[in-house]
Amino acid sequence: EAGVTQFPSHSVIEKGQTVTLRCDPISGHDNLYWYRRVMGKEIKFLLHFVKESKQDESGMPNNRFLAERTGGTYSTLKVQPAELEDSGVYFCASSFINEKLFFGSGTQLSVL
Amino acid sequence: GENVEQHPSTLSVQEGDSAVIKCTYSDSASNYFPWYKQELGKGPQLIIDIRSNVGEKKDQRIAVTLNKTAKHFSLHITETQPEDSAVYFCAARLFSSNTGKLIFGQGTTLQVKP
Repeated sequence: EAGVTQFPSHSVIEKGQTVTLRCDPISGHDNLYWYRRVMGKEIKFLLHFVKESKQDESGMPNNRFLAERTGGTYSTLKVQPAELEDSGVYFCASSFINEKLFFGSGTQLSVL
Repeated sequence: GENVEQHPSTLSVQEGDSAVIKCTYSDSASNYFPWYKQELGKGPQLIIDIRSNVGEKKDQRIAVTLNKTAKHFSLHITETQPEDSAVYFCAARLFSSNTGKLIFGQGTTLQVKP
């Protein structure tokens, strides 16, 4: 069974540019989550989709971040314009129920 | 606000010894406590979890204990092996939450020396 797939695995952009991260959840998982880990700190929740609907977006830092989940399948997380403090590892996870989250390998984002 | 404190931040043990990682959560309404292992270049992988109605759970060499009164939970790894070396994260989820929002600890880097 394929796991959660994220790409790109790494992205290096300049401040002010736009970056879009993609996540493909495990087939059949209605729940999809985005988390972020800034260097050396804890993994922080960004938002949670149930199918195509945003169940909880309380962790989104500001309106420069936009998450979508088209048709309840894959999801994208766009950062526009990117700032230095947006650097970190962005993880996507999916689950069948609201427990036992399966994480992808993450996207390492570096904003220079 | 919701908070999970994890200790120690780094832990080094000899192969065959036991390792213990401890977490404390702030919200007494938390009811689900997973532990994740992250190896280099990979995402966090769920290794064991426990619900608040259970005090202890074991799976081969790993076990988790929960003290609801003290709001502590711990991960125990016995007979450690070099492949146990990784970063371990504890997390907690609120009972009232209908989302998958997990509050993570800061992580513990475990090194098992051969």
